[in-house]
Amino acid sequence: QSVLTQPASVSGSAGQSITISCTGSSSDISDFKYVSWYQQSPGKAPKLLIFDVTQRPSGISRRYSGSKSGTTASLTISGLQAEDEADYYCSSFTTSSTYVFGSGTKVTVL
Amino acid sequence: QVQLQESGPGLVKPAETLSLICSVSGDSISTFSWTWIRQAPGKGLEWIGNISSSGSANYNPSLRGRVTISEDKSKNHLSLMLTSVTAADTAVYYCARVAQEEVAFQTHHYHCFDVWGPGTTVTVSS
Repeated sequence: QSVLTQPASVSGSAGQSITISCTGSSSDISDFKYVSWYQQSPGKAPKLLIFDVTQRPSGISRRYSGSKSGTTASLTISGLQAEDEADYYCSSFTTSSTYVFGSGTKVTVL
Repeated sequence: QVQLQESGPGLVKPAETLSLICSVSGDSISTFSWTWIRQAPGKGLEWIGNISSSGSANYNPSLRGRVTISEDKSKNHLSLMLTSVTAADTAVYYCARVAQEEVAFQTHHYHCFDVWGPGTTVTVSS
């Protein structure tokens, strides 16, 4: 199964909004509403930010929001803060009842 | 609050079998589905496989034939076995819980991973 495609890096100034894209195929993203997003700080385990494309788990800031159109899902971080510097991964359930992750995006706060 | 802890040998020789344990505390493993995910040095996340609350497993096609995920309910832990390892299997290995929610006396399973262990590093080298 192929890895979902994400930009290698995205940057923005503090207070700005950034969007990370995640492109898949008809076998994953476009066929389901089961896209999730994870934040990973250096040396740490990933942390769930978004599930079912748009849903935030309890305790996750409203600054994080998700969307999907066709084969591309997106994560938007509003009001960018220094603490948002991390790697971000998307994930999708697939038509084979497996899971696939994105290639990962490094977010830098300028 | 559920907590996960991976453990196992940090060094495995090529062609041998990698065996890891994920100890679960704070809840019964029978209640949830679980997953194993790995991350090679400097690389992204790779889904290895899942085991459901009923004990059925599903695996990444790229690893099928080499990987087995099982559970020991008496010890409340999960196991991962990966045979015929090579240097490409060098990674941090994570176990995680598949999210679910009780709604109107029914269990709704989500396709995401809401609780993770800290991970354990495995190096394949002679």
